[in-house]
Amino acid sequence: KNQVEQSPQSLIILEGKNCTLQCNYTVSPFSNLRWYKQDTGRGPVSLTIMTFSENTKSNGRYTATLDADTKQSSLHITASQLSDSASYICVVSGGGSYIPTFGRGTSLIVHP
Amino acid sequence: KAGVTQTPRYLIKTRGQQVTLSCSPISGHRSVSWYQQTPGQGLQFLFEYFSETQRNKGNFPGRFSGRQFSNSRSEMNVSTLELGDSALYLCASSPQGYEQYFGPGTRLTVT
Repeated sequence: KNQVEQSPQSLIILEGKNCTLQCNYTVSPFSNLRWYKQDTGRGPVSLTIMTFSENTKSNGRYTATLDADTKQSSLHITASQLSDSASYICVVSGGGSYIPTFGRGTSLIVHP
Repeated sequence: KAGVTQTPRYLIKTRGQQVTLSCSPISGHRSVSWYQQTPGQGLQFLFEYFSETQRNKGNFPGRFSGRQFSNSRSEMNVSTLELGDSALYLCASSPQGYEQYFGPGTRLTVT
């Protein structure tokens, strides 16, 4: 069964600090992995998209890594800002199906 | 370009009623997908339409249906509403490939 597990479930950090969110998946064969940011009450916004051949992708202060061998991805946020407070969702496609598999998300709270 | 728009943004319905939600994709995008998001289950795929044809369907009962029009606008319908259908319903459009652009969602509350 295709699964995506994210950790931690929630995280509280101080403004200016860095943090790393984890995503482990069992989807096989792998097609692509996406990280989304979802603010409360709004739709998800794409941060990065990685295919099998990519192991790092950056978008401003967001850097995603992918290890297709261990089926792990991480999202690193540098110099956090209050506006980074949101839910971060990992989505993996593949497994012989168009239907993507979503993680439950990591809720990040950045305190001043 | 204007983003994905969804109407209405909020909706309150009673058990047993039916509801229709609307989604207008980004101009030029021919693929529209629908998702249900709840605190307990997270995001779950409902279905995807491309050029007026349902291309993929998630694991939801037949009470959930949808359609796409020739201008790529899409609607989803839920009949015989249940309390468990209370959720944020998200629509996403895509030109091709992996990138999806989500709308703000419709918050449905069933009482």
